Amino acid sequence: DAKTTQPPSMDCAEGRAANLPCNHSTISGNEYVYWYRQIHSQGPQYIIHGLKNNETNEMASLIITEDRKSSTLILPHATLRDTAVYYCIVLRRGTGRRALTFGSGTRLQVQP
Amino acid sequence: GAGVSQTPSNKVTEKGKYVELRCDPISGHTALYWYRQSLGQGPEFLIYFQGTGAADDSGLPNDRFFAVRPEGSVSTLKIQRTERGDSAVYLCASSPTPRGGTDTQYFGPGTRLTVL
Repeated sequence: DAKTTQPPSMDCAEGRAANLPCNHSTISGNEYVYWYRQIHSQGPQYIIHGLKNNETNEMASLIITEDRKSSTLILPHATLRDTAVYYCIVLRRGTGRRALTFGSGTRLQVQP
Repeated sequence: GAGVSQTPSNKVTEKGKYVELRCDPISGHTALYWYRQSLGQGPEFLIYFQGTGAADDSGLPNDRFFAVRPEGSVSTLKIQRTERGDSAVYLCASSPTPRGGTDTQYFGPGTRLTVL
């Protein structure tokens, strides 16, 4: 699975959009981009995933560049409860390998 | 509905002892995963079950670690002769059958293991 690079930390003001970048320049055509987050002392929580089209759900939006080498997770109106570590993960679906490879993630601090 | 549950939530043991950690996946999920998370790091994969069989155990660090899922539901992670370096949060996740489904993994709250 392709390696991902994320900034170690970011701050965001409450109520504003949080834009979390991820670089995955070695991604291949059959690899998906997944985002999980981990709030302190809890297990990771799935947020969203995508292949090449932008995706949106009730939690967030995922914007993937046309060349698929990077993506941005957008939390449209960040709240204090969104303070967490956010992990960008690349996973090849349809194979026997199903393990998620977590990097160091981005620690998002939402400020009041 | 009920999520993934793990018991105990905390386990303190002494070096050299044997421990068992239990995971109850979401009902109907055929895939089950174990991860380990050390302080300040992201979770690391240990083992993946599809049904009753271990489909991928490449993340188990050594032969002191073993996991079972005899009936394709509940799983137990077993650690023999525990060492201080085994101290970590052990996370369990489950997902629906991958065939035609998603790979979304749903995580439990974890078991914090402390080896004194």
